[in-house]
Amino acid sequence: ETGVTQTPRHLVMGMTNKKSLKCEQHLGHNAMYWYKQSAKKPLELMFVYNFKEQTENNSVPSRFSPECPNSSHLFLHLHTLQPEDSALYLCASSQESTGAAYEQYFGPGTRLTVT
Amino acid sequence: AQKITQTQPGMFVQEKEAVTLDCTYDTSDQSYGLFWYKQPSSGEMIFLIYQGSYDEQNATEGRYSLNFQKARKSANLVISASQLGDSAMYFCAMRENMDSNYQLIWGAGTKLIIKP
Repeated sequence: ETGVTQTPRHLVMGMTNKKSLKCEQHLGHNAMYWYKQSAKKPLELMFVYNFKEQTENNSVPSRFSPECPNSSHLFLHLHTLQPEDSALYLCASSQESTGAAYEQYFGPGTRLTVT
Repeated sequence: AQKITQTQPGMFVQEKEAVTLDCTYDTSDQSYGLFWYKQPSSGEMIFLIYQGSYDEQNATEGRYSLNFQKARKSANLVISASQLGDSAMYFCAMRENMDSNYQLIWGAGTKLIIKP
């Protein structure tokens, strides 16, 4: 496996379900990100982890719960979601170091539909 | 006020022609970076090119070049000799305060369609 992988690629869940999105990066990066991409809106940063520590949480509702057990894996736990949470959820990683370009590498995304 | 503005929601370009995608930004920081990403219909966001605020020369990566005009706060993406596979959404993004801030600020994107 290379790059950034995400599973599942598609997910349909009811508002009372609990599910988890998984992201794994094989690039040796030390920072990982969750983004939400809704139709006709710019990408929204949800969470940032640097060296497994959460460094940013952009006012995301508590029904989204991130987990970063190590620098290669990132999860997004979902519970009691709302229909407006339907979106493409993208995971990304980057190598944060002085002088680096800091470009982020993205996974293919999970297309989430909440019914 | 929007930090990243992409004024072209959609563009049609004939194959093999060059295309310029516009991006203007707003920041008071001295140290910032500008990025362009491509998103095909498959959904994956693909990094194309980066320009640092202190870089004196315009960035180039193969057929991609970034027309960086610092005084005008613009960072337009130029794709030379367009191909059908260039059809995608293109996003401009900025990172301010590079050493301590991880957040990318994204534009709304431009949908580029290459006509055969």
